Amino acid sequence: AQSVTQLDSQVPVFEEAPVELRCNYSSSVSVYLFWYVQYPNQGLQLLLKYLSGSTLVKGINGFEAEFNKSQTSFHLRKPSVHISDTAEYFCAVSGGSWGKLQFGAGTQVVVTP
Amino acid sequence: GAVVSQHPSRVICKSGTSVKIECRSLDFQATTMFWYRQFPKQSLMLMATSNEGSKATYEQGVEKDKFLINHASLTLSTLTVTSAHPEDSSFYICSARDKGGPNTEAFFGQGTRLTVV
Repeated sequence: AQSVTQLDSQVPVFEEAPVELRCNYSSSVSVYLFWYVQYPNQGLQLLLKYLSGSTLVKGINGFEAEFNKSQTSFHLRKPSVHISDTAEYFCAVSGGSWGKLQFGAGTQVVVTP
Repeated sequence: GAVVSQHPSRVICKSGTSVKIECRSLDFQATTMFWYRQFPKQSLMLMATSNEGSKATYEQGVEKDKFLINHASLTLSTLTVTSAHPEDSSFYICSARDKGGPNTEAFFGQGTRLTVV
């Protein structure tokens, strides 16, 4: 079984400042890792994913994440946020199926001018 | 990416009635569809997995007689909340995976906000 922990429920950040969202996972098998973004009353959009290979993954909208197997982490970063990045961000893990995902509790990012 | 259309986006129903939510894959064939439930300010919880032409597999704790799932074609899955009660009020989200197999990406619908009054 897999589980995901997102350590921050809410992260306030000023526009053009960097942001890091933390995600730790636990699993007894190899996993796929994902970050999704959800805007209010909408579904989820995939930001990026780690399947294998390079541990630094680049996604859409300037986001990137680094897979760290020894620390079982997959933290998401963006060097300079925009107001439009205000949303809920979910880290997710799967044990080999891209469809059946275990989600973290989510981190609300609030970007202010 | 591929498009998954979920309808309706919002629905209000009276307690005791049933509500049907549709999830369609618009430009691909979805062998597998997933239904999630999301409470306010909480994460998504997987309710069930449905494969085209077969019975859905429900997660532990999800009442299969209350949440009826039908996946009759490769482009359509429906979730029917039967005899709805206020505690069923939630945000329901479907996702669909291409028939390419278990290592293919799943795409999400826009969600349905159900309010039972």
